[in-house]
Amino acid sequence: QSALTQPPSASGSPGQSVTISCTGTSSDAGAYDHVSWYQQHSDKAPKLMIYDVTKRPSGVPDRFSGSKSGNTASLTISGLHPEDEADYYCSTYAGSNIGGLFGGGTKLTVL
Amino acid sequence: EVQLVESGGGLVQPGGSLRLSCAASGFTFSNYEMNWVRQTPGKGLEWVSYISESGTPMYYAASVRGRFTISRDNAKNSVYLQMNSLRAEDTAVYYCARELRYYTFDYWGQGTLVTVSS
Repeated sequence: QSALTQPPSASGSPGQSVTISCTGTSSDAGAYDHVSWYQQHSDKAPKLMIYDVTKRPSGVPDRFSGSKSGNTASLTISGLHPEDEADYYCSTYAGSNIGGLFGGGTKLTVL
Repeated sequence: EVQLVESGGGLVQPGGSLRLSCAASGFTFSNYEMNWVRQTPGKGLEWVSYISESGTPMYYAASVRGRFTISRDNAKNSVYLQMNSLRAEDTAVYYCARELRYYTFDYWGQGTLVTVSS
């Protein structure tokens, strides 16, 4: 069982917006502003899309945004592109000797 | 360009050992914390182990503590994962990942597959 809870699937049409949730507890996602989101295309390595809840690494389109309320973080993709179809994983810091906790992943389908 | 290249994966029997290596290039390796993260076939990601810039401290997931050992050689720009007493549930793709901060991983290798089976 994953430490963070994500919906197994999500979908949207090109141009639409979609939001993926990630729920933890007051000891992990709720305790720290170090939630990250990763995109993983089939048979590829994960790619960092959002870190520290809202920050985007260089090169990530501003269509991708993050937020957090309480123990739940969210990834929003605005104006879906076909290439956004991938698996998305959230992750959070939970203490130096606990490591990074991941969600179970959400498979995003662009219809 | 940052590159992380893992090697050492393969098929091993239950109870056996394997040593994974990750060769880094394109950045000052000794300035970064490094991690191993694994992904079971068709399933999600699991953090495995962490090592600081200097080599200590190291941290491990409960599922591998006492069986796996992480190490690094800053002169060789490499990080390693020694895996002993392997179990079927250790079967996964193992990724080497550079840590940006607070267990956020900004670069990942391509992964190396470890299969534990008789």
